[in-house]
Amino acid sequence: GDQVEQSPSALSLHEGTGSALRCNFTTTMRAVQWFRKNSRGSLINLFYLASGTKENGRLKSAFDSKERYSTLHIRDAQLEDSGTYFCAAEVYQGGRALIFGTGTTVSVSP
Amino acid sequence: AQTIHQWPVAEIKAVGSPLSLGCTIKGKSSPNLYWYWQATGGTLQQLFYSITVGQVESVVQLNLSASRPKDDQFILSTEKLLLSHSGFYLCAWSPLGVRSQNTLYFGAGTRLSVL
Repeated sequence: GDQVEQSPSALSLHEGTGSALRCNFTTTMRAVQWFRKNSRGSLINLFYLASGTKENGRLKSAFDSKERYSTLHIRDAQLEDSGTYFCAAEVYQGGRALIFGTGTTVSVSP
Repeated sequence: AQTIHQWPVAEIKAVGSPLSLGCTIKGKSSPNLYWYWQATGGTLQQLFYSITVGQVESVVQLNLSASRPKDDQFILSTEKLLLSHSGFYLCAWSPLGVRSQNTLYFGAGTRLSVL
């Protein structure tokens, strides 16, 4: 089965509100990365966590390897936060590997 | 077991000089192959992908080219390096279609410094 389950698949927010994205892992992962896909298809790195929490502006991420989940919180959402967000779990399989979640499409409206 | 090998590990090159980075995958036939570039600051940018020998798709134009001369080999090159080419280059492979979300297996990378 899928090793990384990302939810929700789509999220609609009004400006100024907030919500959370979540990734559950079926096994213990070494670290997690959160990305946002830009209009050119590039993955912009938002966070890399081996444990604990990190905050950057209106985004905050947490990773609990023991409980096998990670979250990305968006607060005070702005229009420019719209896009597709991915979590990716880092494992070691003969080398570094990233297992991607299926993505969350975030739409922020006025 | 599959292994992915990138070479060289690091390069220091002059602006205007040529570049060739290599990547080989052993133990997996007909893999999907990718070149990624990680700029300082963490943006993981996909440059090229290839689903079969001789077929390479460009994702981002960075004055670089890629070729897949063999099933297990992926080459990234340019005839004239720019300062903006500096960064960390990662080769990766995946067992599924390029358009689906799946597991990417990365090589150890090549750190390129253009002076």
